[in-house]
Amino acid sequence: QVQLQESGPGLVEPSGTLSLTCAVSGVSINIDTWWSWVRQPPGKGLEWIGEVHYKWHTNYNPSLKSRVTMSIDTSKNQLSLKLSSVTAADTAVYYCARNGDWSQASWGQGTLVTVSS
Amino acid sequence: ETVLTQSPGTLSLSPGERATLSCRASQSVDSRYLAWYQQKPGQTPRLLIYSTSSRATGIPDRFSGSGSGTDFTVTISRLEPEDFAVYYCQLYDTSSFYTFGQGTKVEIK
Repeated sequence: QVQLQESGPGLVEPSGTLSLTCAVSGVSINIDTWWSWVRQPPGKGLEWIGEVHYKWHTNYNPSLKSRVTMSIDTSKNQLSLKLSSVTAADTAVYYCARNGDWSQASWGQGTLVTVSS
Repeated sequence: ETVLTQSPGTLSLSPGERATLSCRASQSVDSRYLAWYQQKPGQTPRLLIYSTSSRATGIPDRFSGSGSGTDFTVTISRLEPEDFAVYYCQLYDTSSFYTFGQGTKVEIK
């Protein structure tokens, strides 16, 4: 059974870069599947950020594409998210997830990132 | 970009009642690419239904999904106390990849 755990700074300064990692256990990340990041501002709905494949293919939400970088580290069985030039609008709970059939089948617990000085 | 609109915004029902949640797409979509999620307060979203009508692992059969074209529905045949939550529909397409509806809250009446 796959388990995902997000980690990273809970506070990021405006204009800085948000950096998160997602540790994957129970399955090798080195498999033919996509891994997504999704975020949820406090009290609001879900927004898909993007996805990464172990062969380093990526797809990003067009609205965030210019600021997002996703990567994968097969030696550590983890994925990473970087979001640059953050503002208060980027304050959210960030989730990593394993994709299923055109969906996100398994989710981490999420980590809250607040953008504030 | 295809926009998903969920209705109603809030559904107030009693345990044991039937719940019908709607998700309308701004243009016709491939039914393989329509999914539903449940999110309880303070919890992580959970995949409920994928490909319009396939239940995810561990989802009880009181949940069912249907639809085609632009109109999709998830039905809860008899509401259990643990079913009161927010439900999101989601669409995959090749241009914007994944987009979510704004959610429907099912609350206890």
